[in-house]
Amino acid sequence: DTGVSQNPRHKITKRGQNVTFRCDPISEHNRLYWYRQTLGQGPEFLTYFQNEAQLEKSRLLSDRFSAERPKGSFSTLEIQRTEQGDSAMYLCASSLVPGTTEAFFGQGTRLTVV
Amino acid sequence: ILNVEQSPQSLHVQEGDSTNFTCSFPSSNFYALHWYRWETAKSPEALFVMTLNGDEKKKGRISATLNTKEGYSYLYIKGSQPEDSATYLCAFSYGGATNKLIFGTGTLLAVQP
Repeated sequence: DTGVSQNPRHKITKRGQNVTFRCDPISEHNRLYWYRQTLGQGPEFLTYFQNEAQLEKSRLLSDRFSAERPKGSFSTLEIQRTEQGDSAMYLCASSLVPGTTEAFFGQGTRLTVV
Repeated sequence: ILNVEQSPQSLHVQEGDSTNFTCSFPSSNFYALHWYRWETAKSPEALFVMTLNGDEKKKGRISATLNTKEGYSYLYIKGSQPEDSATYLCAFSYGGATNKLIFGTGTLLAVQP
């Protein structure tokens, strides 16, 4: 399968713990995006990378959040000192620019903070 | 604030009914309008990407139109089937090919056999 892959699919953690999610984009895609979806809302943009460079971060991305894409391939999103409000679906997408305007999404990681 | 609005929020139809959803978005600095279908436990699946005013696209029983001057897009499903049940998300991007998408809250479609 050459689609976008995210791991884990589900994560339950206690408040205050750190969590890390991984995203493997489509191999030739140079752009990688992270989005977050909370109940009743559409996905909200968090950050994106062009190769290994993080080009934009949303104000939603507090100091407890950090994202990396060290070799321009897979990416990790870490949340430190999780809070109940961090409970959400975290989606990763990738695209090729220039080229298609289409972004391809993974299945997401559902985080529950208890 | 860039806001995308979708209506209705949810829709329950019978198999065979035709239906349509609306997406409204800011018309200034428009780049592209995307429609996604998101089924439970799956990835959001891209249905259409439209960039030109007046664009109309079709995939099987599903079609979409775009009006960038007034800032709206319609998605039509002809003869709904139970497998069409999903959340339909619209998203727009602006200012160039960043692909940073601003999503609406989606329309949840349930098609009953």
